[in-house]
Amino acid sequence: GAGVSQTPSNKVTEKGKYVELRCDPISGHTALYWYRQSLGQGPEFLIYFQGTGAADDSGLPNDRFFAVRPEGSVSTLKIQRTERGDSAVYLCASSDSSYNEQFFGPGTRLTVL
Amino acid sequence: AQTVTQSQPEMSVQEAETVTLSCTYDTSENNYYLFWYKQPPSRQMILVIRQEAYKQQNATENRFSVNFQKAAKSFSLKISDSQLGDTAMYFCAFMHSGSARQLTFGSGTQLTVLP
Repeated sequence: GAGVSQTPSNKVTEKGKYVELRCDPISGHTALYWYRQSLGQGPEFLIYFQGTGAADDSGLPNDRFFAVRPEGSVSTLKIQRTERGDSAVYLCASSDSSYNEQFFGPGTRLTVL
Repeated sequence: AQTVTQSQPEMSVQEAETVTLSCTYDTSENNYYLFWYKQPPSRQMILVIRQEAYKQQNATENRFSVNFQKAAKSFSLKISDSQLGDTAMYFCAFMHSGSARQLTFGSGTQLTVLP
């Protein structure tokens, strides 16, 4: 079956602009995660959804970052007033809540000029 | 808070040889999970192997095996009969067994398999 997909694959934007990054999880997976991976580092947790609600958003760095999952499937990560430090690969993962493996998407590489 | 440390930024191994990647972690929890993920240049994070902390037996998946030392908080990955396709960044990761399901990753080890 289809894996986790993320769009766009790459996004280049200018400082101060607003961006949206989309994640399509594996069908039927109730848990969805967003991570941010800076160059040369491991992914860092941003937010975790169980169904439609954000079960844990403790990893969001500040109020410029927001994520939604209105129907419990597709999720959108929204970044306002982008800064150069937001440049990174944003990874999405999903899992069946009854099993612990997280399946990752290919990520979106965000570049803020 | 949990921390995961990978002290080897880069490693190389000859094809068909065996290599071991190191990982240590720090937690006050007793129940948790440990993972090794592989990330090739395509960026796709792929699960290699997982270990439940309550299991004493070390996990094995074909050519991949772990040495899990709970008291020492050590979780190394051994790759036997290395193949060119094993070239990738490898990340060690920790997860609580409770409601907090996010992964905490180490900084990674770039493994290069040489022909």
